[in-house]
Amino acid sequence: QSALTQPASVSGSPGQSITISCTGTSSDVGRYNYVSWFRQYPGKAPRVLIFDVTNRPSGVSGRFSGSKSGNTASLTISGLQAEDEADYYCDSYTSDGTWVFGGGTKLTVL
Amino acid sequence: EVQLLESGGGLVQPGGSLRLSCAASGFTFSTSGMNWVRQAPGKGLEWISLISGSGKSIYYADSVKGRFTISRDNSKDTVYLQMNSLRTEDTAVYYCTNLGGGDYWGQGALVTVSS
Repeated sequence: QSALTQPASVSGSPGQSITISCTGTSSDVGRYNYVSWFRQYPGKAPRVLIFDVTNRPSGVSGRFSGSKSGNTASLTISGLQAEDEADYYCDSYTSDGTWVFGGGTKLTVL
Repeated sequence: EVQLLESGGGLVQPGGSLRLSCAASGFTFSTSGMNWVRQAPGKGLEWISLISGSGKSIYYADSVKGRFTISRDNSKDTVYLQMNSLRTEDTAVYYCTNLGGGDYWGQGALVTVSS
């Protein structure tokens, strides 16, 4: 049950695009299209931004998009805004029937 | 509107027990797998347990296996987490969530294990 690998931090300027990677194995990210991305503000519960690799729930901005290649999933945020500054987590279903999270990425908007 | 509401958190001494509850509404609870996820202070999210909609399939993370028990009552749309033999490292905010079924999260329940 090793955690998925995310960069500890990323940063970008307003208006730019950034991408956060989430690397797993052939037993989780690489095997299933059950990868979600969550945003978490300090002291708040996580909120889903992307589910099933590429799908956006209603109400989530089109600036957020997801993709996957092999064992690595990615979250791209375009048109970066100050309100995007938060922690971001990915998760994946695993071949054990469990779920695993990434270690989290702190996004700083410069 | 989907709502998940955790309760039962609090302060407990090492070796003690606590039971968390999560009341769900706004979706078909009996067909949804439910999970508990925790977050230690200043740390990331850690998945700890899953129970299938029927309650027949149950999974645990190694860190809580043998100490925590997940259960559900579909007549009350509620999932539980019985936590025994608590350790200081179990101190965290505990969330219930239906990962893979909408990815909704409760507001969390703080569990503090300290003497």
